[in-house]
Amino acid sequence: NAGVTQTPKFQVLKTGQSMTLQCAQDMNHEYMSWYRQDPGMGLRLIHYSVGAGITDQGEVPNGYNVSRSTTEDFPLRLLSAAPSQTSVYFCASSQGAYQPQHFGDGTRLSIL
Amino acid sequence: KQEVTQIPAALSVPEGENLVLNCSFTDSAIYNLQWFRQDPGKGLTSLLLIQSSQREQTSGRLNASLDKSSGRSTLYIAASQPGDSATYLCAVCGSSNTGKLIFGQGTTLQVKP
Repeated sequence: NAGVTQTPKFQVLKTGQSMTLQCAQDMNHEYMSWYRQDPGMGLRLIHYSVGAGITDQGEVPNGYNVSRSTTEDFPLRLLSAAPSQTSVYFCASSQGAYQPQHFGDGTRLSIL
Repeated sequence: KQEVTQIPAALSVPEGENLVLNCSFTDSAIYNLQWFRQDPGKGLTSLLLIQSSQREQTSGRLNASLDKSSGRSTLYIAASQPGDSATYLCAVCGSSNTGKLIFGQGTTLQVKP
């Protein structure tokens, strides 16, 4: 049972580059979300989705785009990478917004 | 604005001790509270979820309590083991349809053999 799978695990980008962080879950969960984890700031919500075709902004959405074309996938796009986006990114899913959330192992992203 | 605080930031105990981790939150209007475990370089694993109408939840050696009126939750770990060494995070979910979790900074636990 794969659960929540995030790719890549590590990535180094140059300022201004764009990239997509992939997230896939095989549990048929309706609710998916993206968090970033930074020292001293804890985990903060970037974007979330309550089902295919529905997304909304979280606490820190600037510089990120998401889409949800299928139940399984919820990619996070960095439009023009900035050093402030250096962080560890976690994707999570749950059966519903208030159910226990399952997290992936994270993507460690460095922006030079 | 909801704020979640966890004290202490770090804790070191000998194997076999019972211990309590603390979590406090400023806004009592929560839907539920979750405790997570995070191992170094890994994602978060959900340990316990307490609904706002509940007082406690138990799973094996773990017991989480919730006092919504005072804005506090505790995670009790019985008979600690070196394998319990990790960072423990609490997170509250507010009364909305966003499912947004507000996390504390975590308590890093080391259990010495």
